[in-house]
Amino acid sequence: SQQGEEDPQALSIQEGENATMNCSYKTSINNLQWYRQNSGRGLVHLILIRSNEREKHSGRLRVTLDTSKKSSSLLITASRAADTASYFCATDGTGANSKLTFGKGITLSVRP
Amino acid sequence: GAVVSQHPSWVICKSGTSVKIECRSLDFQATTMFWYRQFPKQSLMLMATSNEGSKATYEQGVEKDKFLINHASLTLSTLTVTSAHPEDSSFYICSARSRGLRLQETQYFGPGTRLLVL
Repeated sequence: SQQGEEDPQALSIQEGENATMNCSYKTSINNLQWYRQNSGRGLVHLILIRSNEREKHSGRLRVTLDTSKKSSSLLITASRAADTASYFCATDGTGANSKLTFGKGITLSVRP
Repeated sequence: GAVVSQHPSWVICKSGTSVKIECRSLDFQATTMFWYRQFPKQSLMLMATSNEGSKATYEQGVEKDKFLINHASLTLSTLTVTSAHPEDSSFYICSARSRGLRLQETQYFGPGTRLLVL
């Protein structure tokens, strides 16, 4: 079953603008990860944030995590046309046999 | 960074045939490998988890006799779709998690295999 729920489901912005994507989840997590997938391709790991972290940066990416609200956000600053892709959040549960559970994904379109 | 490859990248087969997909971790030892299926414009659905040297653990609703998984070594897992039917047409993606502490939290994904069953 899917745990993560992203919103919006689709986002269209102009190049140079910031894109904010949100993810909510239901159960306790060890960490939360964001992935990008270009059409018909495999997944690219973007960033991982642990349950004891609140914010993390990587280049133009900024991820926040609020475990009290069971939510996370991914901010892409100064977007580029090449950022056009589907973005997924995935939660990694606690326990030795944890596995990633993916949300439905957000389709981001960046207009040049 | 860690690299995972899949072979073949795409395959077209006739209904009733079996198709084998390979997943290899190229520069690290994968303690655990995962197999996902993704239908068009949908998310990844975990099919099964395989640990090297042991039987795979299948998710609810996934037929283990139809989707045979073998994790024979720390760098190779195979998924065989037996007696494939058109409804098995999908994008199959594997991922690998490393034994090493530094990589343990992250799954590295292969590029996917697109299967079309006619």
